[in-house]
Amino acid sequence: ETGVTQSPTHLIKTRGQQVTLRCSSQSGHNTVSWYQQALGQGPQFIFQYYREEENGRGNFPPRFSGLQFPNYSSELNVNALELDDSALYLCASSPLGTDTQYFGPGTRLTVL
Amino acid sequence: GIQVEQSPPDLILQEGANSTLRCNFSDSVNNLQWFHQNPWGQLINLFYIPSGTKQNGRLSATTVATERYSLLYISSSQTTDSGVYFCAVLKNDYKLSFGAGTTVTVRA
Repeated sequence: ETGVTQSPTHLIKTRGQQVTLRCSSQSGHNTVSWYQQALGQGPQFIFQYYREEENGRGNFPPRFSGLQFPNYSSELNVNALELDDSALYLCASSPLGTDTQYFGPGTRLTVL
Repeated sequence: GIQVEQSPPDLILQEGANSTLRCNFSDSVNNLQWFHQNPWGQLINLFYIPSGTKQNGRLSATTVATERYSLLYISSSQTTDSGVYFCAVLKNDYKLSFGAGTTVTVRA
């Protein structure tokens, strides 16, 4: 039990639609990161938020955006969905003062 | 960016057997974590081990930072050990870089 939760568990969208995925971490975990894991691959870093500001970004286009809220929750938004966006999306949080990341159970997104 | 290579890609074990998984990385790192991903996709933290040796039950890990590799040992394997094992490293930035994983299948 990592204390990190994600919703929804599964989601099906069609190409061109927009989606919002949600993550809630423990109190005191002020850094949240999002990763995309395609089938059969390791997770790929999307971006990280620290104190509600984007702190770093991987090689993902601007249609991937995020928000972090004061209550330790976070959102990942993806606009103009493409078939290749089908993946498991993982949220991870880190306690203050550490770089150990704890992962939520993920949201499995299917784009048709 | 930093490269992470895991070997072997696949491992099939008989219950009770021991095994060693390897992770090589291309640069010095501040953080190295081993994870077990269960069939539902949950990444479970096994070890935070930027250097040295740690043990947790039947699992142990060793990281030799100067030679840029880490080893994960599974002893007396059980069917519940099946899944994908990932090594991930973090340098002087904010992102974990993952290897491609080792898929372990333990047969009863």
